[in-house]
Amino acid sequence: DTEVTQTPKHLVMGMTNKKSLKCEQHMGHRAMYWYKQKAKKPPELMFVYSYEKLSINESVPSRFSPECPNSSLLNLHLHALQPEDSALYLCASSQRLAGGADTQYFGPGTRLTVL
Amino acid sequence: AQTVTQSQPEMSVQEAETVTLSCTYDTSESDYYLFWYKQPPSRQMILVIRQEAYKQQNATENRFSVNFQKAAKSFSLKISDSQLGDAAMYFCAYRDGGGSNYKLTFGKGTLLTVNP
Repeated sequence: DTEVTQTPKHLVMGMTNKKSLKCEQHMGHRAMYWYKQKAKKPPELMFVYSYEKLSINESVPSRFSPECPNSSLLNLHLHALQPEDSALYLCASSQRLAGGADTQYFGPGTRLTVL
Repeated sequence: AQTVTQSQPEMSVQEAETVTLSCTYDTSESDYYLFWYKQPPSRQMILVIRQEAYKQQNATENRFSVNFQKAAKSFSLKISDSQLGDAAMYFCAYRDGGGSNYKLTFGKGTLLTVNP
């Protein structure tokens, strides 16, 4: 089973709202990723967690706050977003972070619209 | 820094025919991995095929195969017997093989249309 699930599928929020995106995998993977994807563009890496610890933050603004409560779950907390943050947010996981041909498996994404 | 180039922004193919999507990359590494991902309108990025640079044999997955030319740094994807469900954006991606190499470098994508 190579399934990564994400909720919600769609989210509309105002610039003053606080919301969260959720990602879950039950493949025993120990690395999880958040990507942002604009229309007709490739995904851009935002954050990487390895063994529930934040390993990489690709200089993402603080209005995006990731959290990894356990090895299966990854959240992205959103606060005071801007309209330009509207995008598809993809979660991915892989067996581990370091070395090897660890394939990243992606979830279906959350389409976020910021009004 | 590694770069991945997909020179065909859009391609079209007739159902049941064969199409080849191009990808070239630039790296100074000898150990790396290459991937093709498919992203249909449903949005989910789906792994199509993976190639290890140390393997000379081209990877194959059912109707999907690659032509991996290491010296030329070329990694094209051939789709045989194209089906309507193959219509999607296809991304070529690169990843270094050693150490804490988490980062996938993506090409800009090729939008494939399949005509009935």
